[in-house]
Amino acid sequence: DGGITQSPKYLFRKEGQNVTLSCEQNLNHDAMYWYRQDPGQGLRLIYYSQIVNDFQKGDIAEGYSVSREKKESFPLTVTSAQKNPTAFYLCASSTSTGASSYNEQFFGPGTRLTVL
Amino acid sequence: AQKVTQAQTEISVVEKEDVTLDCVYETRDTTYYLFWYKQPPSGELVFLIRRNSFDEQNEISGRYSWNFQKSTSSFNFTITASQVVDSAVYFCALRGSTLGRLYFGRGTQLTVWP
Repeated sequence: DGGITQSPKYLFRKEGQNVTLSCEQNLNHDAMYWYRQDPGQGLRLIYYSQIVNDFQKGDIAEGYSVSREKKESFPLTVTSAQKNPTAFYLCASSTSTGASSYNEQFFGPGTRLTVL
Repeated sequence: AQKVTQAQTEISVVEKEDVTLDCVYETRDTTYYLFWYKQPPSGELVFLIRRNSFDEQNEISGRYSWNFQKSTSSFNFTITASQVVDSAVYFCALRGSTLGRLYFGRGTQLTVWP
C-alpha cells in the first residue's frame, strides 16, 4: 500500500536535546512538507521541499532543520533552539506536476512530541 | 497574500441534523485551488475534496456537499444527516497559483452527539 509513514507516533525527550522525526513516503511524490499543530492553532508550515536536495523555510522554521537526500525521505530535526517544541507534527507529500495542477497534499499519521 | 478564515471554532449538533462549515478565503491570484480535509481523533488529515478557481460547480458526495462561490470568496461544506463518525476537526485550505505550500484555516471542531 502506498502512503506516508511517520515514526514514532509518540516521542518524549528531555529539554535541551535534539530530536529527529522520521517521514517516509512511497507515493513517488516530489514534494514533501512538515507542519506543526498546536491546540486551536491549525497547521503551521515549518519547511517544505519541492525536489531532492532543495528545501524552503515555512512560517515557523526557527529552531528546526531538515534534509532531503532521498526522494522518499524528509526527516525533521527539532533542535534545542526551539523554545516550545511540544506539539503534534504532521508530514505531507504531493505531486509537483506544475503550478496549474492541484497537487493536493496527503498526510502521514503524525508524531506527538512531548518535551519534559 | 493568501488567507483562509474558518470563523466557526466549534460546532455541536445532534445526530441526523444538517450542519454547514464555513470557509472564506482571500487571494489575489486568478488561478487558485481550494481543499477540505478531515482530521479525526487519530490525528491524520484525510483529503476530502478539491476545487480550482475556474470550476464553480457544486459537488455532492453521499452526505457531503460543497458550495463554491467566487462572488463571496467562500467554499462551504455541508454534512447532511450528520452521524457520530463525522465528529472531527475540518480544515479548509488554499493554494495560490505558485507551486507548493497550502494555507490552512484554523479548523472547525465538529461534535455530533448521539
